[in-house]
Amino acid sequence: EADIYQTPRYLVIGTGKKITLECSQTMGHDKMYWYQQDPGMELHLIHYSYGVNSTEKGDLSSESTVSRIRTEHFPLTLESARPSHTSQYLCASRLAGGNEQFFGPGTRLTVL
Amino acid sequence: QQQVKQSPQSLIVQKGGIPIINCAYENTAFDYFPWYQQFPGKGPALLIAIRPDVSEKKEGRFTISFNKSAKQFSLHIMDSQPGDSATYFCAAGSNTGKLIFGQGTTLQVKP
Repeated sequence: EADIYQTPRYLVIGTGKKITLECSQTMGHDKMYWYQQDPGMELHLIHYSYGVNSTEKGDLSSESTVSRIRTEHFPLTLESARPSHTSQYLCASRLAGGNEQFFGPGTRLTVL
Repeated sequence: QQQVKQSPQSLIVQKGGIPIINCAYENTAFDYFPWYQQFPGKGPALLIAIRPDVSEKKEGRFTISFNKSAKQFSLHIMDSQPGDSATYFCAAGSNTGKLIFGQGTTLQVKP
């Protein structure tokens, strides 16, 4: 079954730790996105990729970085987590030429 | 220019009622207007979407009304059910493929 996966679902870590949030999709989509969503608030685009070796920053500035070495994989990394990074991170993908973005279940990150 | 404004922030209706959620945009380059439904602990899922060349689109109990001149669009949920209780987001997209989301509306449908 084609789907989009995010791990971990929940993460609680201390300040200064390096973390990587994983996102994988089995739909063969070229385009992938990372959004940040605070509780009860709208989604803000922080990174996107139009294909392998393509990454761009989104509309909301973020200290995180992303990579796209394989079509199906789009991990997000925080080199040194801070409490201000506490949020939900949602990954999405879209087929080239299509409009619908398919979302993963999200990773809820808490930095103490 | 890039904002999408959504209202109300929250909404409570009785079962069978017709909640209406409104969105307004500014950028006339937007040409794709989806509505997403999000349950707690889940990612958003596409509910219904419209393009500006039509004024209304229905899918089951969900209807989008679109007013291009006013740059507004709205979601109507007919015969609402407790299972429709969720957060609803409107969004606007252009040929860049990026979406700008509204602030979200938390809907509660009481039995």
